[in-house]
Formats: sequence, C-alpha cells, structure tokens
Amino acid sequence: KAGVTQTPRYLIKTRGQQVTLSCSPISGHRSVSWYQQTPGQGLQFLFEYFSETQRNKGNFPGRFSGRQFSNSRSEMNVSTLELGDSALYLCASSLVAAGGLAEQFFGPGTRLTVL
Amino acid sequence: AQRVTQPEKLLSVFKGAPVELKCNYSYSGSPELFWYVQYSRQRLQLLLRHISRESIKGFTADLNKGETSFHLKKPFAQEEDSAMYYCALANRDDKIIFGKGTRLHILP
Repeated sequence: KAGVTQTPRYLIKTRGQQVTLSCSPISGHRSVSWYQQTPGQGLQFLFEYFSETQRNKGNFPGRFSGRQFSNSRSEMNVSTLELGDSALYLCASSLVAAGGLAEQFFGPGTRLTVL
Repeated sequence: AQRVTQPEKLLSVFKGAPVELKCNYSYSGSPELFWYVQYSRQRLQLLLRHISRESIKGFTADLNKGETSFHLKKPFAQEEDSAMYYCALANRDDKIIFGKGTRLHILP
C-alpha cells in the first residue's frame, strides 16, 4: 500500500507570494490533517479535512486555507507569504476522523522557505 | 490552556540502561494520549496510544491522571531506539496537540 505522498518536497518563495501544497492520502483514508513544524514551535495543527469538509481548524490566520477533493487528496494554500511561514508542512491521513481512535500516517513533508 | 510538555530536549542513555521519556499534559477532561516517533530519515509514525494499552518495541506508557503524565518507558535501551519522540494529546474536539519532542540518543 503506497504511503502518504506530498508534493512538492521543497519550495522556495518570496514574501508576498502565495503557495499551494498537495497531499495524497493512503488509499481509502478519508481524513487528511495538516501540520506546521518549526524548530521553535514544534508541530502545530493547522486543519483537518474529512470527506471534503473542514472538520477542525487550528489557531492560524486566514491566510492559511485548504480543501479536500472527492478522491480525498488535499491541498493547502498560504497566501501573502511571510518569513515566519518558513517551515516543514506535514500532512497526515487516517482511515477515520482524527482523534483518539485514529492512527495518523504522516507524509514526508514539504519544506517551504520564504525569502 | 491545553498543553503537552516534554521537559527534556535531549536524553542520552547507555545501551542496556532503562529509558524514561517524560510527558506531562494540561487538559481538563479525559485526554487521549499518544507517543509518536521519528527515526533518522524516516517519517513521523505512531508508536503507541494509551487507549490500546499495548507494548510496542518494548516501550510502554501509563496514563497517570493524578500527575497528568504519560511517560514512555523501556527497561533496556537498544541502539535502534535513537530517534525523536513526540508526545501528543487528542482533545474532546479531536484536535491533536503535540509536545516539542525529545531526542533520545542511545550511547554504545
């Protein structure tokens, strides 16, 4: 079974630009969660999509948005990039909605650098 | 505030010695707790969760509600245990909150 894939793996953007990251979950998984990982803040939850609906949202500004398609693939968009958005963005999928019963499978991440 | 605290950034342990990775949480309710592990050049993966009460790779973790802790333990460390370990909590809204992680270094 193929694991969670994320594209692109590396991205360099400049301040003010926007970026779209993609995540393909494990086949059959309906939940996709996104996390931002930085050395200072660690792993922080961005949002979760389940069956094409945003089920949960973390404490990030509205510049961070996402969506999920009918095939469960998900995209995350960040508009008006800031230097502080430089991070590793991780996507995780699970068979059931994220929470105590779910085992999340993580992708390799997309390393975003904002110059 | 809901929080997961891992007080040690780095823990060095000799091979064969016992390991204890500390995790404390702040949460008013009954949390669901997990340990995730990331080996070098590998993805973050679930190690164990308290709801399963299982032992994985010799590791166990017991939820202590009185001390609000979920420490990860292994009686005899092995070199392949060297990795980054993250404690995480799922709150009643199913949001996952991660600690900042502890790097475990097993010394030969």
